[in-house]
Amino acid sequence: DTGVSQNPRHKITKRGQNVTFRCDPISEHNRLYWYRQTLGQGPEFLTYFQNEAQLEKSRLLSDRFSAERPKGSFSTLEIQRTEQGDSAMYLCASSLRSELYTDTQYFGPGTRLTVL
Amino acid sequence: AQKITQTQPGMFVQEKEAVTLDCTYDTSDQSYGLFWYKQPSSGEMIFLIYQGSYDEQNATEGRYSLNFQKARKSANLVISASQLGDSAMYFCAVGDTGRRALTFGSGTRLQVQP
Repeated sequence: DTGVSQNPRHKITKRGQNVTFRCDPISEHNRLYWYRQTLGQGPEFLTYFQNEAQLEKSRLLSDRFSAERPKGSFSTLEIQRTEQGDSAMYLCASSLRSELYTDTQYFGPGTRLTVL
Repeated sequence: AQKITQTQPGMFVQEKEAVTLDCTYDTSDQSYGLFWYKQPSSGEMIFLIYQGSYDEQNATEGRYSLNFQKARKSANLVISASQLGDSAMYFCAVGDTGRRALTFGSGTRLQVQP
């Protein structure tokens, strides 16, 4: 049973460039989440999909950020015109809708973005 | 709005001893879940334990147990018989039934000493 995978693991880019990250969730999971984590802080929620529908976006997700999950399986997160403040770890998580109050989210290894 | 407070930026514990990591939460929701995750230096967030707000018994998972005190809004993590591999950042998080996002605290760095 494979876990959540993310690619690339590391990305270094120059300010103003566009970057795209990919997340492959656990195969039977229908919910997928993106978080951002800066140094010394806990993860902050960015957006959430149930199947292919994007159901919630944080105010942190500026117009330069876009996320898709076209077939309800993998997801991509694109950042346009990157800024130095975008440097962070981008974490993807997935969960299976359950009868519990809140699904347990399982995280991938993250993509560390450095904007020069 | 939800909030998690972890007041211990860093903790030290001797190998084989027990340690308690503190977590207090604030939520206006009646139905919610509390989570603890471990983040080693590699960066991956590893799920440890879950407690539902209506669960009457404290959750346990192997060496991990959650000391849930609903009236005090606290959800402390207890690690028994600490191991060197337990050295990591530990994050407490809360989620409710209406909003799928988790709200995390700022974490506690645990260092296990031989």
